[in-house]
Amino acid sequence: DAGVIQSPRHEVTEMGQEVTLRCKPISGHDYLFWYRQTMMRGLELLIYFNNNVPIDDSGMPEDRFSAKMPNASFSTLKIQPSEPRDSAVYFCASSPGQVSSYEQYFGPGTRLTVT
Amino acid sequence: GEDVEQSLFLSVREGDSSVINCTYTDSSSTYLYWYKQEPGAGLQLLTYIFSNMDMKQDQRLTVLLNKKDKHLSLRIADTQTGDSAIYFCAENKGNTPLVFGKGTRLSVIA
Repeated sequence: DAGVIQSPRHEVTEMGQEVTLRCKPISGHDYLFWYRQTMMRGLELLIYFNNNVPIDDSGMPEDRFSAKMPNASFSTLKIQPSEPRDSAVYFCASSPGQVSSYEQYFGPGTRLTVT
Repeated sequence: GEDVEQSLFLSVREGDSSVINCTYTDSSSTYLYWYKQEPGAGLQLLTYIFSNMDMKQDQRLTVLLNKKDKHLSLRIADTQTGDSAIYFCAENKGNTPLVFGKGTRLSVIA
């Protein structure tokens, strides 16, 4: 298995632009997580899905952030409009079973820079 | 405050032992985890321990759990430069996602 795949690996955009981050989880995993990592705040859980259904989006910072999972093999995290404070590394992770009892497999991350 | 707390930095000499400490808050956590993040990569599970255990050893890694004090530690014996990374402690809280600490950045000096 190729593991969790994220694209793009790096994204540089100007303030106000729309940004879409993509994730392909490991086949057969029922849970998908989106995280944001910054030096100041560490690793923050933004949202997670179970069987393509959003379960908890309380970590999404603002209405500018939205996430979808149209099928079991694809998810997007969209920021519209982007702001410089959104600059961070965004990780997608997937897990095969019960929410916290199983290992989470992380993708390599997307480094987002908003100028 | 943070649910899971870790010191942010640790520096050790190559060949010495490293000890990374973590405190958590939920005494009902059944699993506690250590994840490793190498530069430019995502987190990867390093080891975990069940709450009914006091210690778990896996080659150079030793995990110690003190449930009374809600304290978890990771000891790396004979630390190598390849061990330089960020180490995250994480706890589970029942049917909810893992709660991660902010991570401890381990620097190994040759």
